[in-house]
Amino acid sequence: HSVLTQPPSASGTPGQRVTISCSGSSSNIGSDFVYWYQQLPGTAPKLLIYRNDQRPSGVPDRFSGSKSGTSASLAISGLRSEDEAHYYCAAWDGTLSGYVFGTGTKVTVL
Amino acid sequence: QITLKESGPTLVKPTQTLTLTCTLSGFSFNTDGVGVGWIRQPPGEALEWLALIYWNNDKRYNPSLKSRLTITKDTSKDQVVLTMTNMDPVDTATYFCAHRSTVRGIFEYWGQGALVTVSS
Repeated sequence: HSVLTQPPSASGTPGQRVTISCSGSSSNIGSDFVYWYQQLPGTAPKLLIYRNDQRPSGVPDRFSGSKSGTSASLAISGLRSEDEAHYYCAAWDGTLSGYVFGTGTKVTVL
Repeated sequence: QITLKESGPTLVKPTQTLTLTCTLSGFSFNTDGVGVGWIRQPPGEALEWLALIYWNNDKRYNPSLKSRLTITKDTSKDQVVLTMTNMDPVDTATYFCAHRSTVRGIFEYWGQGALVTVSS
């Protein structure tokens, strides 16, 4: 189902920096904005980053997004235990004329 | 405060049609750029976008499911309805509705989700 590719897992110890990649194509990431969601178990996704690198109010500045070409990254600095969750990237795909989501990355805090 | 809530059956039989309702509050569907979408998530799997309806009744569907999906809105009732025909066990998932704002460009406010199981 997923058009955007993410690593299945990432981990780090408290305080460390973790980076998650998201790989797409010219029809989605390469031509439009990237978004990032955090999903805790049993809850709805929470918007972390919109329009590549913007944070909604209330999202800590420990979370940052970037985009280059047809790939994007989410960085979590100063990793905390409450950051343990699944993270999904998303983008609008002009060819499909709809949103596409990433395969998801499980972040574990060791 | 924007809230959304999904409602519908928790169990459907294979080949049946699923009808889910999303009840909205805290925003006007008459605002330019506003949309409501449906996204699903099979147990233990990734998110999958299904459909989106805009304030002007423009509609978008996931091409892989387009033949089975219909999204409509009833502004007078503050509701958005999704129907999916010919349900199959692989359609077992939590179905979310979510609010799309022009400012964010994607879904910021989500409902709690509704688990739908397809089984005979």
